[in-house]
Amino acid sequence: AQSVTQLGSHVSVSEGALVLLRCNYSSSVPPYLFWYVQYPNQGLQLLLKYTSAATLVKGINGFEAEFKKSETSFHLTKPSAHMSDAAEYFCAVTEGGTGTASKLTFGTGTRLQVTL
Amino acid sequence: GAVVSQHPSRVICKSGTSVKIECRSLDFQATTMFWYRQFPKQSLMLMATSNEGSKATYEQGVEKDKFLINHASLTLSTLTVTSAHPEDSSFYICSARTQWDIRLQFFGPGTRLTVL
Repeated sequence: AQSVTQLGSHVSVSEGALVLLRCNYSSSVPPYLFWYVQYPNQGLQLLLKYTSAATLVKGINGFEAEFKKSETSFHLTKPSAHMSDAAEYFCAVTEGGTGTASKLTFGTGTRLQVTL
Repeated sequence: GAVVSQHPSRVICKSGTSVKIECRSLDFQATTMFWYRQFPKQSLMLMATSNEGSKATYEQGVEKDKFLINHASLTLSTLTVTSAHPEDSSFYICSARTQWDIRLQFFGPGTRLTVL
């Protein structure tokens, strides 16, 4: 079974500060991991994905995430927060394969607030 | 590329009526689409997996007679909420799985359903 834990339902940073959103996963097989961003009343936009290639993954809007197997983590970072980064962020995992095995399991989400 | 649309974006209906929500993959074919439900300030919960040309697969606890899913073509899946009640009010989001990477899903912008 696969699962995702996002530590911190709410993170607040100052504009220009480092953003760190935490995600830990559990998977019985090598996982595929994703970060999605959701703005109010909108769907989910893919930020980045890990698919067993490079462990440091770069995404859109300056975000990146590092897959650490030993820590079962896939934390999302951005060196300098911008006001437009304020949104809800979801980490998700899939064990790959076809059929039911390709379902995404989402974390509970982290709301990022960016202050002046 | 990989754009998914939903229609309508917002719907208000009276209790007892049925509401149909459309999910379309605009620039790619999707043999599999997914329907999620999201309550305020919560994560996405998978309701069902929609497969083109066959019956949908529902998650445990989701009433298939209440949430009718039809995936009649490679670019269109519909979710019909039958005999809607206020407790069905929610944000419904669909996603489409790509053919070039079956682990990757692109999400629609969501539909806000309010049942009076």
